[in-house]
Amino acid sequence: GEDVEQSLFLSVREGDSSVINCTYTDSSSTYLYWYKQEPGAGLQLLTYIFSNMDMKQDQRLTVLLNKKDKHLSLRIADTQTGDSAIYFCAETVASNYQLIWGAGTKLIIKP
Amino acid sequence: ETGVTQTPRHLVMGMTNKKSLKCEQHLGHNAMYWYKQSAKKPLELMFVYNFKEQTENNSVPSRFSPECPNSSHLFLHLHTLQPEDSALYLCASSQGLAGTSNTGELFFGEGSRLTVL
Repeated sequence: GEDVEQSLFLSVREGDSSVINCTYTDSSSTYLYWYKQEPGAGLQLLTYIFSNMDMKQDQRLTVLLNKKDKHLSLRIADTQTGDSAIYFCAETVASNYQLIWGAGTKLIIKP
Repeated sequence: ETGVTQTPRHLVMGMTNKKSLKCEQHLGHNAMYWYKQSAKKPLELMFVYNFKEQTENNSVPSRFSPECPNSSHLFLHLHTLQPEDSALYLCASSQGLAGTSNTGELFFGEGSRLTVL
């Protein structure tokens, strides 16, 4: 079946760039998403990319999509303490229009 | 007022209890969802409602019973749960079903933390 995988933890120093990686298995994905979950809160859409795009940039966020390798990444430039959260990768599968989720990457910011 | 509101935020119940989780969305969306979130595991989709009609039931045990009286309200009725059902239960809504003609953005509530003793 469809699967989305991501590392459970990432630790970076404040001011550095964070790169969160995700791999997926379904080549028929239409949209791929990054959601952010802050402590004690629900998930919030951070950004998304359509499957025919390679890159999307939005202020400090850069999303890269490599369809050949089925690899998605989220780069956060100049990481701040407010970026501490769990980041979820998700894809939409064309066959059933459901979202397939990764387990989330907890971003830890070191001073 | 937040877009998607869930109550209660925390719930502790015994295995023989009956309780309900409530979700209300003020966004005018047509689709509503229940997800189960367990630590270090992907979100598990439980139920989907579109225009009050249930469109998905992902093999969820019958001890979980959803109810959607209208497009703005969603309930999850809980009965004779097991300790492994302890988790964060998230409600979400979207304008159309995820992955259809729109970008499929889901709007989540803050969740109901359930502990089954």
